Amino acid sequence: ETGVTQTPRHLVMGMTNKKSLKCEQHLGHNAMYWYKQSAKKPLELMFVYSLEERVENNSVPSRFSPECPNSSHLFLHLHTLQPEDSALYLCASSQADRGGEKLFFGSGTQLSVL
Amino acid sequence: QQQVKQSPQSLIVQKGGISIINCAYENTAFDYFPWYQQFPGKGPALLIAIRPDVSEKKEGRFTISFNKSAKQFSLHIMDSQPGDSATYFCAASSGKTSYDKVIFGPGTSLSVIP
Repeated sequence: ETGVTQTPRHLVMGMTNKKSLKCEQHLGHNAMYWYKQSAKKPLELMFVYSLEERVENNSVPSRFSPECPNSSHLFLHLHTLQPEDSALYLCASSQADRGGEKLFFGSGTQLSVL
Repeated sequence: QQQVKQSPQSLIVQKGGISIINCAYENTAFDYFPWYQQFPGKGPALLIAIRPDVSEKKEGRFTISFNKSAKQFSLHIMDSQPGDSATYFCAASSGKTSYDKVIFGPGTSLSVIP
């Protein structure tokens, strides 16, 4: 399989649940990103891992916890979320040492928090 | 200063017409301006991009016009087709870090009607 793959595609969870989003990239890139996409708002960068080291955390609440075990895999662990966290969560990758501007996105996980 | 403004929020164009989406930025350190196209149920995909050393870039029916002094850039879709119906995001980045922090505009929903 090529590109950036995200699972699951859809997730419904209660406010007390713990779940994880998974992302895998097959492009040989060395940077991976989590973005949040809400209706009528710009894509919000949540986390960046470059060379497996976290380099950005845009004041994201601690109920979101990223994990990057290697350059091909990225996880977003979720716990005690709020209804306003309902959104499309997009994973992306890029090749950082080449300028890294070209982001390759997965299809996203549509999250609903009840 | 990190914001990228985009207009219109939505656009309806007749088949065969020209679609025009405008963006503006403040940060003069930005040196890469991509446009992403997103279809429902998919992540954004890079469509076309420009650097500030040129005023125009054309790829098929898609053209970016760039005005460095005005800090504005726009996407023109010639001979618009129903298959172009999607959400379009302009973006900007500066490439000053080992990864690129891409700032996205809020998006334009384009509908091309037959």
